[in-house]
Amino acid sequence: AQTVTQSQPEMSVQEAETVTLSCTYDTSENNYYLFWYKQPPSRQMILVIRQEAYKQQNATENRFSVNFQKAAKSFSLKISDSQLGDTAMYFCAFSGSARQLTFGSGTQLTVLP
Amino acid sequence: DGGITQSPKYLFRKEGQNVTLSCEQNLNHDAMYWYRQDPGQGLRLIYYSQIVNDFQKGDIAEGYSVSREKKESFPLTVTSAQKNPTAFYLCASSINEREYNEQFFGPGTRLTVL
Repeated sequence: AQTVTQSQPEMSVQEAETVTLSCTYDTSENNYYLFWYKQPPSRQMILVIRQEAYKQQNATENRFSVNFQKAAKSFSLKISDSQLGDTAMYFCAFSGSARQLTFGSGTQLTVLP
Repeated sequence: DGGITQSPKYLFRKEGQNVTLSCEQNLNHDAMYWYRQDPGQGLRLIYYSQIVNDFQKGDIAEGYSVSREKKESFPLTVTSAQKNPTAFYLCASSINEREYNEQFFGPGTRLTVL
């Protein structure tokens, strides 16, 4: 079974600064996908970014980018130029051959004005 | 607009009562999922369905039941056998044909047992 670990329950960052959220996972599979989801105070889950394990290039979506280290089974999310609207719970998730999503416990990010 | 709707947004239940949470999608997605979210924890899978008239238990199915009679609908019943049902419930859907399982979520239902 896969496991996803987010070791930072809470983090804060000043507006316009950069912050990195950590995620590690454990799997014996070689082909899989990793996701970061955002859950703002409205509690609506929103996909932030997706990474295919067979791609060495790190995914980027505007201010959001990942650092994917397959050998280390690490998948961190970097948010540049943080904005107040980035305040949310962020979940790392794994999807493998079973086509199920396994979620980490989340990191509550607060962007400070 | 295409999307996933869940109703009601807030639900109160007395102990010993069954209650059904609604989930409807008009995205033409084949697969649908139910998750439970508790404070300080990630989402845990209750049940999922890849096609109509078929569904499988997830990690925490005890005390819950589902049906999938229509592609668009996947209601979840929280039975009196569920010992601690107070939680936030999220429904999601995805396309089976995609290589990756990107799931789209509804707005959730907050269930409180009185």
